[in-house]
This record gives sequence, structure tokens and C-alpha cells, in this order.
Amino acid sequence: AQKITQTQPGMFVQEKEAVTLDCTYDTSDQSYGLFWYKQPSSGEMIFLIYQGSYDEQNATEGRYSLNFQKARKSANLVISASQLGDSAMYFCAMREPLLTGGGNKLTFGTGTQLKVEL
Amino acid sequence: NAGVTQTPKFQVLKTGQSMTLQCAQDMNHEYMSWYRQDPGMGLRLIHYSVGAGITDQGEVPNGYNVSRSTTEDFPLRLLSAAPSQTSVYFCASSEGGLYYEQYFGPGTRLTVT
Repeated sequence: AQKITQTQPGMFVQEKEAVTLDCTYDTSDQSYGLFWYKQPSSGEMIFLIYQGSYDEQNATEGRYSLNFQKARKSANLVISASQLGDSAMYFCAMREPLLTGGGNKLTFGTGTQLKVEL
Repeated sequence: NAGVTQTPKFQVLKTGQSMTLQCAQDMNHEYMSWYRQDPGMGLRLIHYSVGAGITDQGEVPNGYNVSRSTTEDFPLRLLSAAPSQTSVYFCASSEGGLYYEQYFGPGTRLTVT
């Protein structure tokens, strides 16, 4: 089963409008972190926003907010006032303990390609 | 602060060749990891380290070795390159807990022919 599901392979949004990128996750752990990363065409991975599993308030970071619904296991990214520079691939990820060893890992979804249009 | 640096940016190998991808960070992070990114599959964990001298396997470790002799450096070695290892490789560093973001290097695009 997919641990992180991003059901929108591609999205279009008009400049200055808001857009929501969907992410659902699957875990039986009580402690985990949820992250969103942006990957522009240049290829680097840019951290956008984070939500801890015990955080009661939705995270916000500038034009980015994370709509966290723990019971539904969803962590949607909302980008307000879209800009042309927001065109990129967006990845949802969960940081969770590894089954063996003492470490943890980021599990990524397959991404959503966002295109902002004039 | 350079953050996380990786070299080289691009590399072409022939099947059976070996090489080392370099990764360094200047943030004094204990936790470092290597991921590979293949089309349509997101990023997958290859190996990770929780501190100097301590490494462990991730999800897709076969064909790769790592070592961590210092806090700053975490090289990834391809022992005998195969076409299936054609991918983009990212090194990341962070604090060790579940609630810390990982900082990624710029990536190395590797092609194995």
C-alpha cells in the first residue's frame, strides 16, 4: 500500500489564485512529521512547510499553509496568490521511524506538477 | 553557509565501473542520508547515518556502500555500476528527530550505459 498518496499528477492554476495540492498518508505510528517540498525544473529540492503529528494548529509559512486533518490522514498544501515562479513539482513526504535500525526516513509521494498560467 | 554540497553534478559511467559520489554539509547535522529519484517514483532512501561511524541500510541499498568517518562527509560508492542505477542522487542532512526537515543537496545526475 502507498504510504503517501498524491492523486493529482498535474494541476493548472491562474496567477494570483489559490490552489490546493492533495496528500493523504498511511501510518500506524503516533509520531511522525509531514513535509512539503518543491522541485523546480532546475532539480533542487526546496523545503516549504512542516506539520508534526501532535501539532493542533495548521502550519503556515508565508503563502503556504498546510491543511492537516489527522483523522482523515490528509495533509494538503494550500498555496495562496499563485505566482509564475510557483510552477514546479511538489512532493508530500512523511518522516517516520524505520522498521529496523534506529533511524528514520522520509517517504515521498509521486508528486504533483503545478503549472501557473497568466 | 554552503549547506549541503554534492559532487559531481553529472556523471556518465559504463556498466561495471565504480565511482564515489561526494556529499558534505557544514551545518553540524548528525543525520545524513542518500536518496535516489527515478521518474514517477518520488525519492527512495538508499543508506543513512545517525552520526560519524554509524551507517545503516535504507529501502534500496543493493549495489551501494557508504561510510561516515566525519560529521561533515557522507560519500556514496557504487561498486559495479549497472544501467538500473541510472538516476538522480540526492544527499540530505538534518537533525535526527522526526520533526526536523531534511536539507537536500543539488543532486547528481548519473547515467550508466
